[in-house]
Amino acid sequence: SQQGEEDPQALSIQEGENATMNCSYKTSINNLQWYRQNSGRGLVHLILIRSNEREKHSGRLRVTLDTSKKSSSLLITASRAADTASYFCATANLNNDMRFGAGTRLTVKP
Amino acid sequence: DAGVIQSPRHEVTEMGQEVTLRCKPISGHDYLFWYRQTMMRGLELLIYFNNNVPIDDSGMPEDRFSAKMPNASFSTLKIQPSEPRDSAVYFCASRAGGAYNSPLHFGNGTRLTVT
Repeated sequence: SQQGEEDPQALSIQEGENATMNCSYKTSINNLQWYRQNSGRGLVHLILIRSNEREKHSGRLRVTLDTSKKSSSLLITASRAADTASYFCATANLNNDMRFGAGTRLTVKP
Repeated sequence: DAGVIQSPRHEVTEMGQEVTLRCKPISGHDYLFWYRQTMMRGLELLIYFNNNVPIDDSGMPEDRFSAKMPNASFSTLKIQPSEPRDSAVYFCASRAGGAYNSPLHFGNGTRLTVT
């Protein structure tokens, strides 16, 4: 079964704009991770935020985590056409498994 | 490192046939996961192993599905007999260590079509 729910399901923006994706989950977690998937490929890890962290940055990526609301957000700043992909949140649960949300399909128009 | 290697990349088979998907995890990784991806259900966790031992197979849809990990460098997911509703992309992923600090590394998947 899936753990998280992302919204929006799809997002279309212009190059240079910021993209924000949200994720909600249901159970207690060790950490929350964001992954990217290009068409026809496997998922690639982007960033990990632990349950005791509230915000994390990596390059143009900013992730927040609110464990009281069981939610996270991924912000991609100054988007590029090459950022076009599907983005998934995944929760690393206390029993060591990992479950993914349904994903957000991001399209960045040049 | 070559990353997680899955074979075949594409598999087309007829209903009722046996299908075997293969996965070679990254050397030294002690966790291995099998996922199934469809438009309708997204990414579903089927089963995962730790040190070659199955830990949780509650996501395996039916007895037609079975997975093995005979050694640290190889795993198989078998469907027997296959049905059209098994059509999906199947991903294998591996990880070094427990969930606290480790990301998953995915293969490029096997696209299975059952006609």
